[in-house]
Amino acid sequence: AQKVTQAQTEISVVEKEDVTLDCVYETRDTTYYLFWYKQPPSGELVFLIRRNSFDEQNEISGRYSWNFQKSTSSFNFTITASQVVDSAVYFCALSELQTNAGKSTFGDGTTLTVKP
Amino acid sequence: DTAVSQTPKYLVTQMGNDKSIKCEQNLGHDTMYWYKQDSKKFLKIMFSYNNKELIINETVPNRFSPKSPDKAHLNLHINSLELGDSAVYFCASSQGHFFLSSYNSPLHFGNGTRLTVT
Repeated sequence: AQKVTQAQTEISVVEKEDVTLDCVYETRDTTYYLFWYKQPPSGELVFLIRRNSFDEQNEISGRYSWNFQKSTSSFNFTITASQVVDSAVYFCALSELQTNAGKSTFGDGTTLTVKP
Repeated sequence: DTAVSQTPKYLVTQMGNDKSIKCEQNLGHDTMYWYKQDSKKFLKIMFSYNNKELIINETVPNRFSPKSPDKAHLNLHINSLELGDSAVYFCASSQGHFFLSSYNSPLHFGNGTRLTVT
């Protein structure tokens, strides 16, 4: 079974629409970290956010917000009022200490296209 | 200053050749990684080094040999290149001693090396 599932392979929205990228993870560890990374068309990978398993507070950073729910093993990412510059591949990643020796397992990514 | 830099950015070579990709980080991180991103954008870890010591070798063919001369450098040498090796290779680093704290540290990636084997 995949440890990190990003069920949406591709999403296309029109500018100013809100969009949510789903991430569902699987782990038996009690302590783990979740991450989101962005890969714009230029190709670099950029860290966006980190969340540990004990902190279920939602986080907002400008137009970006993250909803972490342990009950559903989800760590979803919402972009409000999307812009063309948000077009990128977004990766969710899980880092487990006990089970996986600390390495990050990435989901397959969601390609977001924001049209003007 | 670039935090994680890797060279070259593009590498085009023929099957059977040997090539190297270099990576350097100036963040003072203890742990460095090589990731491979295939044509479908899937990211998979290949190797991880902590303070010059190999920590993870993710069932990568032994044609791939990482070398870490010091904790700021992690190079990747590939022997007898095959068509299936064509991909983007990313170097990354993270803070802290691997088993104690680096699992909770975000990865800082280089800009990638696009390897094309013809």
